[in-house]
Amino acid sequence: KNQVEQSPQSLIILEGKNCTLQCNYTVSPFSNLRWYKQDTGRGPVSLTIMTFSENTKSNGRYTATLDADTKQSSLHITASQLSDSASYICVVAGGSQGNLIFGKGTKLSVKP
Amino acid sequence: KAGVTQTPRYLIKTRGQQVTLSCSPISGHRSVSWYQQTPGQGLQFLFEYFSETQRNKGNFPGRFSGRQFSNSRSEMNVSTLELGDSALYLCASTPQGFGNEQFFGPGTRLTVL
Repeated sequence: KNQVEQSPQSLIILEGKNCTLQCNYTVSPFSNLRWYKQDTGRGPVSLTIMTFSENTKSNGRYTATLDADTKQSSLHITASQLSDSASYICVVAGGSQGNLIFGKGTKLSVKP
Repeated sequence: KAGVTQTPRYLIKTRGQQVTLSCSPISGHRSVSWYQQTPGQGLQFLFEYFSETQRNKGNFPGRFSGRQFSNSRSEMNVSTLELGDSALYLCASTPQGFGNEQFFGPGTRLTVL
């Protein structure tokens, strides 16, 4: 069964600290993996899209990694800011029908 | 370039009623997808339209339907509303389809009483 699992479910960190969010998937065949940031009450915004051949991709203070062999991805946030408080959703495109499979997200709270 | 717009932003309905939500994609985007987001289930795919044709469909009952117009604008309809239909409904547009980056609208918050 095609699944995307994210951990932790929620995370609280202090402003200025780094954190890493995890995403494990069992989607096959794999097309690409995406990380989205969703602020409360708003639509998700794309952070990165990674294909099979990409190991690392950065977008400002956000760095995503992908290990296609172990089917794991991580999103690392450096020097967190209060505005990083949001849900982070991992999405894998693939499967026999080429669909998008969504993780349930990690809710990050950055405290001053 | 204007982003994806959704109307209305908030809606309150009662059980048994029906509702129509609207989505205007980014200019030039031909694919529009709809999602339901609830706290317990996260984002769940409803369906995708491309050039006025439904191309993909998720596992939702027939009460959920949609259509796309020649200008790529899309509508989603839910008939015989149930309490469990209360959710944030998001639409996303892409130039061609799932392989491309999706751009989400702000969503319509539907509350069913």
